[in-house]
Amino acid sequence: EAGVAQSPRYKIIEKRQSVAFWCNPISGHATLYWYQQILGQGPKLLIQFQNNGVVDDSQLPKDRFSAERLKGVDSTLKIQPAKLEDSAVYLCASSTLQGNSYEQYFGPGTRLTVT
Amino acid sequence: ILNVEQSPQSLHVQEGDSTNFTCSFPSSNFYALHWYRWETAKSPEALFVMTLNGDEKKKGRISATLNTKEGYSYLYIKGSQPEDSATYLCASKAAGNKLTFGGGTRVLVKP
Repeated sequence: EAGVAQSPRYKIIEKRQSVAFWCNPISGHATLYWYQQILGQGPKLLIQFQNNGVVDDSQLPKDRFSAERLKGVDSTLKIQPAKLEDSAVYLCASSTLQGNSYEQYFGPGTRLTVT
Repeated sequence: ILNVEQSPQSLHVQEGDSTNFTCSFPSSNFYALHWYRWETAKSPEALFVMTLNGDEKKKGRISATLNTKEGYSYLYIKGSQPEDSATYLCASKAAGNKLTFGGGTRVLVKP
């Protein structure tokens, strides 16, 4: 079974530029998550999708971050414009809907450096 | 406890030695406690999902215990090997499958 795919793996941009990340979840997983992991901290949930609908985006900085999951499969996360504090690893995860203890499976992440 | 906290933040272990570290989490509205191992440049890998007070789980040389009443979990590594070097993350799950992560414990096993 293929895992969660993310691209690019690394990205360096200047502040005020735009950037987009792509995620392809495990086939059949209805739920998709985007996390931001700043160095020295744990991953923080940015947005959670159920199929193509948003379940939780309470911690997404909506003035500069946006995400979509068209057709309920792949997802893109965009930052426009980027700030220095957006430097982080952006993790995508997916899960099924079977019970309270279902696992989230993570991709390798995209490491973003904003200079 | 309002947040998920892990201690220590980092530790160095001599190859062959055993070690353990802690995850503290809010005991109210608890659904599950997850442990992940995250090696550099790789995907976080699920180790354990624990739901019941007193749960103990084992995977090879790694094991974990759970105390939901007092809100803590221990992860143990027996006979540490260099390949155990990684960041170990715990995450508490509340309603809606939302995971709240601790800051991680970075383990470095020295040959």
